[in-house]
Amino acid sequence: EAEVAQSPRYKITEKSQAVAFWCDPISGHATLYWYRQILGQGPELLVQFQDESVVDDSQLPKDRFSAERLKGVDSTLKIQPAELGDSAMYLCASSFRQGNLADTQYFGPGTRLTVL
Amino acid sequence: AQSVTQPDIHITVSEGASLELRCNYSYGATPYLFWYVQSPGQGLQLLLKYFSGDTLVQGIKGFEAEFKRSQSSFNLRKPSVHWSDAAEYFCAVGAGFQKLVFGTGTRLLVSP
Repeated sequence: EAEVAQSPRYKITEKSQAVAFWCDPISGHATLYWYRQILGQGPELLVQFQDESVVDDSQLPKDRFSAERLKGVDSTLKIQPAELGDSAMYLCASSFRQGNLADTQYFGPGTRLTVL
Repeated sequence: AQSVTQPDIHITVSEGASLELRCNYSYGATPYLFWYVQSPGQGLQLLLKYFSGDTLVQGIKGFEAEFKRSQSSFNLRKPSVHWSDAAEYFCAVGAGFQKLVFGTGTRLLVSP
């Protein structure tokens, strides 16, 4: 069964350093999502891609976060510089169609970020 | 704005006993409703979803949920819990092309 791949699974960094997370969605999925899940809370959408275009990045802290999906396949989420409050699980999800919630979102295992 | 409330942070259920996890939502129109499960250190897996039609929805792993518009609720149920059901459960709401909004989750503990 096809799965969403993410790497690394765990990342420990010091504040003010740069970090990057990678996501490879299920093949053929047009929509890709990045979520942030703070401990004890539900996931919160950071950015949504439709193919290579950003559809929604209203909750992305653009002064330090950036995301790209250059060829409309895999995606990278970057934080520079990292802050203590960025410690969280970063989840990637993908869905087949054009971002309609009627289409199931499939989640990857996530990247657990700890900022010291 | 849409929102989801899961009033129970933790629930402990004996193995073999029935389970009900509560979810209340706030949404201006007919919502899409979802239940996801997250095992420790893992991503989320969809258990079931409701869009329209029959208000009792069957999902995977023996779970079901009932949409009650009058109560703005979408509670998750299972008649007999197994130890492997111990996990965190998230209710979520959205519609159409809007973003999915998640509740804060309920952690299920299963006692022997």
